[in-house]
Amino acid sequence: NAGVMQNPRHLVRRRGQEARLRCSPMKGHSHVYWYRQLPEEGLKFMVYLQKENIIDESGMPKERFSAEFPKEGPSILRIQQVVRGDSAAYFCASSPRYQQGDYGYTFGSGTRLTVV
Amino acid sequence: AQRVTQPEKLLSVFKGAPVELKCNYSYSGSPELFWYVQYSRQRLQLLLRHISRESIKGFTADLNKGETSFHLKKPFAQEEDSAMYYCALSPPGAGSYQLTFGKGTKLSVIP
Repeated sequence: NAGVMQNPRHLVRRRGQEARLRCSPMKGHSHVYWYRQLPEEGLKFMVYLQKENIIDESGMPKERFSAEFPKEGPSILRIQQVVRGDSAAYFCASSPRYQQGDYGYTFGSGTRLTVV
Repeated sequence: AQRVTQPEKLLSVFKGAPVELKCNYSYSGSPELFWYVQYSRQRLQLLLRHISRESIKGFTADLNKGETSFHLKKPFAQEEDSAMYYCALSPPGAGSYQLTFGKGTKLSVIP
């Protein structure tokens, strides 16, 4: 089991471009969570998805950010028209059920987005 | 609003010395509390949960509701303990998937 796979590990985008971050959950996990870590900050919850459903997107910025978890394929976090403030590490986690308190999350290695 | 505070950005101790990584939280109610660890070039991983009262790799953490603290302790530090440590909380029940993390403490164990 390869664990939670995120790609790319590093992504450089110019201001105004789009960034697409991918997350493949662990085998057997159908719940995906995205977190963002700004420089010198802790991880902050962005969105919780199940297959084809957004369960909670309360942590997502209102504009430019979107997430999906299609029936087939990885979960995608999309950032349109990136700005310097989007530079951060984006982590994906997965769990077999919604109450992470039972199992704890399994995190991916993260994608470091740099906007130049 | 819920908040997790880790007052030390960096903590350096000598090998064999006791370690205490501080964590204070703010939450109206009884949250679930966790410590996560990230070793160099590795993924963030769960170290321990207060609900399980486990000791992992010699680390323990005691929940003090009166002081709203969840400090991580180890009596004798080892070089392999050098890592970034994050304290986190989640609400109980239906919202338990939403973790709030502290900013982290970098532990450096000096040989």
